[in-house]
Formats: sequence, structure tokens, C-alpha cells
Amino acid sequence: DAGITQSPRYKITETGRQVTLMCHQTWSHSYMFWYRQDLGHGLRLIYYSAAADITDKGEVPDGYVVSRSKTENFPLTLESATRSQTSVYFCASSTVAGGPQETQYFGPGTRLLVL
Amino acid sequence: QKEVEQNSGPLSVPEGAIASLNCTYSDRGSQSFFWYRQYSGKSPELIMFIYSNGDKEDGRFTAQLNKASQYVSLLIRDSQPSDSATYLCAVTNTGNQFYFGTGTSLTVIP
Repeated sequence: DAGITQSPRYKITETGRQVTLMCHQTWSHSYMFWYRQDLGHGLRLIYYSAAADITDKGEVPDGYVVSRSKTENFPLTLESATRSQTSVYFCASSTVAGGPQETQYFGPGTRLLVL
Repeated sequence: QKEVEQNSGPLSVPEGAIASLNCTYSDRGSQSFFWYRQYSGKSPELIMFIYSNGDKEDGRFTAQLNKASQYVSLLIRDSQPSDSATYLCAVTNTGNQFYFGTGTSLTVIP
């Protein structure tokens, strides 16, 4: 049972390049989330999705694009990477969003360095 | 004003002591409150959630919620070196947006 996986785990890219971070979950959870984690800011929500083909912006969506054609996959694309997007990116999933039953399960993270 | 505020620490306690971690939130209509633990280089994992005023106990962990004061805390009794980690407070606000605090670093000294 793989749970929730992310790939790649580490990525180095250059400014201006397009980068896609992958997230896959095997639980058939409805909700999926993308966060970035930076020193001094903690975890910040980039985008989330309530179901296939339903996505919505979080706190820091600028410069990112998401899609969700299948329930189990939620890729995050940096259309033109900038140095400020150097961060650790976490994908998460849950069965219910916004309620007391909500437990978000996190993937292992992707460490992205933009040169 | 941030949605969720935590003291960044570091907080150091001796083994066997009680560790007290605190969190305040700005949206008075917030409904659900969570504590996550994150070991260095790892992903966050849920410890507890609470949504009613008062205390909720789970083993050595007790979450306390005071909605009037917009305050939530986590107590760790009989602290162990394995409890050394960063503890993240998270809140779901009235817009069903999920916000994390920046985390408090805890070190338990053997």
C-alpha cells in the first residue's frame, strides 16, 4: 500500500524552465492539496482540489498551475520557475475538507532548487 | 495579521517533564483545530484534532481549546527524546481554508 507518493523527490532546475511535480495517492481520497514549506512561513497552501476536474486557489497560487483529470493524480506545474519558488513542496490528501474528520495525509515531499 | 500564530521556539524540556505548546488564531469563526508533528526532513503527521471547547486527551497528548480566547494548546506529558520535533498548529477557518502556523521546535533533553 503506497499511500501518497511524490516525484521527483529532489529537483534542480534553472530560472525560466517549466517544472512539473507529481503527486499520486492510492486511497481514492476526494481532496488533494499542494503546499510549499519555507523557513519563517511554515506550510502555505498553493492549490487544492475537491474532486477530479475541480480545483481552487489557496494562499499562494501565483506562478503555479494544477490539473486533476483523475482522482488519484494531482500534478503541480511551475510554468516558468523563479528563484523564489525554491522550496519544499508537499502534496496531501484527505477524505473530507474543512470538517473535524479531516485528516490530511502528507506525501514525503519534493525538494526543489531553482538556480 | 497571520491566521495562525505560534512561537517558533526552540522549546527545550528535560525528559519526563510536561511540554506546553501554544497557538492563537485570528478567525473567531474557525471550526476545527489540528496538531501535526514534523520530524526534521520528514512530512507532517497528524497527532490530534479538536473542535469543542475544553480538553481532549490521547495517551500522553492533551489538546486544549478556548474559542473565547482564540487559543489552542498541546500538552505532552512525560516528554521523551523521541518527541523532539517541530509541532504545527493548523486551523480550518470559516471559509473552509486550512492554515498552518509556522511551527514550534521542541527538544527533549535526556
